[in-house]
Amino acid sequence: DTGVSQNPRHKITKRGQNVTFRCDPISEHNRLYWYRQTLGQGPEFLTYFQNEAQLEKSRLLSDRFSAERPKGSFSTLEIQRTEQGDSAMYLCASSPSGRPGEQFFGPGTRLTVL
Amino acid sequence: RKEVEQDPGPFNVPEGATVAFNCTYSNSASQSFFWYRQDCRKEPKLLMSVYSSGNEDGRFTAQLNRASQYISLLIRDSKLSDSATYLCVVKGGGADGLTFGKGTHLIIQP
Repeated sequence: DTGVSQNPRHKITKRGQNVTFRCDPISEHNRLYWYRQTLGQGPEFLTYFQNEAQLEKSRLLSDRFSAERPKGSFSTLEIQRTEQGDSAMYLCASSPSGRPGEQFFGPGTRLTVL
Repeated sequence: RKEVEQDPGPFNVPEGATVAFNCTYSNSASQSFFWYRQDCRKEPKLLMSVYSSGNEDGRFTAQLNRASQYISLLIRDSKLSDSATYLCVVKGGGADGLTFGKGTHLIIQP
């Protein structure tokens, strides 16, 4: 399967714990995006990378959230001191150079904070 | 005002009918427009880009009205497999992330 993959698919954690998610984009795509989606809403943009550079962060991305893409390939999203309001589906997407609107999404990581 | 607004529906439509969705966007600097489709418990997938001159892909037609900041999607001869949530998506105004509407839920009935 050469699509975008995300791990884990599900994560249940207790409030206050730290969690980390991983995204592996389509290999030839140089842009990688993170979104968050809650029930009944469309995905909300969090941040994006072009190669290893983090070029944009949404105001939704509080200081408890950090994302990295150290070698310009896979990316990680870490949430520190999780809160119940962080419960959501976290989606990763990638796009080819020159076509940033044509994004291919992974299956997402569903986070539940108890 | 929300950046991208859509009627959430649901739209219940008999198989074979024609159905149209609209959405409006607030940022006049937006540059690119798309429709994505999302099936229940699945990830969004690009359905089609929307061009100023309007564009068609099989049974699907998309239109853009920049003056009114309005995007539409028309589905002809609807199939049961068209049942999904259709997300209106806008990009631009200096941002590279996509701005999604809440989606319009479509149910095609046999």
